[in-house]
Amino acid sequence: DSGVTQTPKHLITATGQRVTLRCSPRSGDLSVYWYQQSLDQGLQFLIQYYNGEERAKGNILERFSAQQFPDLHSELNLSSLELGDSALYFCASSSPSGRGNSPLHFGNGTRLTVT
Amino acid sequence: DQQVKQNSPSLSVQEGRISILNCDYTNSMFDYFLWYKKYPAEGPTFLISISSIKDKNEDGRFTVFLNKSAKHLSLHIVPSQPGDSAVYFCAANKGPFRGDFGNEKLTFGTGTRLTIIP
Repeated sequence: DSGVTQTPKHLITATGQRVTLRCSPRSGDLSVYWYQQSLDQGLQFLIQYYNGEERAKGNILERFSAQQFPDLHSELNLSSLELGDSALYFCASSSPSGRGNSPLHFGNGTRLTVT
Repeated sequence: DQQVKQNSPSLSVQEGRISILNCDYTNSMFDYFLWYKKYPAEGPTFLISISSIKDKNEDGRFTVFLNKSAKHLSLHIVPSQPGDSAVYFCAANKGPFRGDFGNEKLTFGTGTRLTIIP
């Protein structure tokens, strides 16, 4: 158990709809990352938050947005959904200390199916 | 632009033998490299890492080798066990943060599916 919790595990919705994915990081971790894994692809970085502030942005579509709340949990909002948004969405957390690298710890993901 | 490449989508190895998974990268700014293991219906799990100041890091049955001049790293698993059957992802980032937390984000390869044959 990585300590990172993602809900829901599965989500099935129709095109044009909006969904919210939720992530609770490991206790003490300040950074949250969102990744997307499409079929047979690697994990594509979407966005990172650190202690409530956006820190880095990857190839995140304008239809997608995220935020990190004061209790450090994070939500990824996906709107105007398209068939191509069907994927596994992973959240990861870490606690950067500035003294070196710390690996990211991943949740079990949310599988989104857009029909 | 795939900055981290795993050119072998799959690999099958006999139980007890050595498994060697390979990874190439193109971004010379990458300074820290990690291997993750992923079982179906689970998230990736951190396995082992190596900093660019080293060329080898060992943890039990797992050893990662880094060849910076060739921009190549490999993961050796000896001896291979059935429980090692999983998808293995290579990942990299730009190293120590020096206050720039954007360097933490990992760039992943597309993964290699390892199957250990009993």
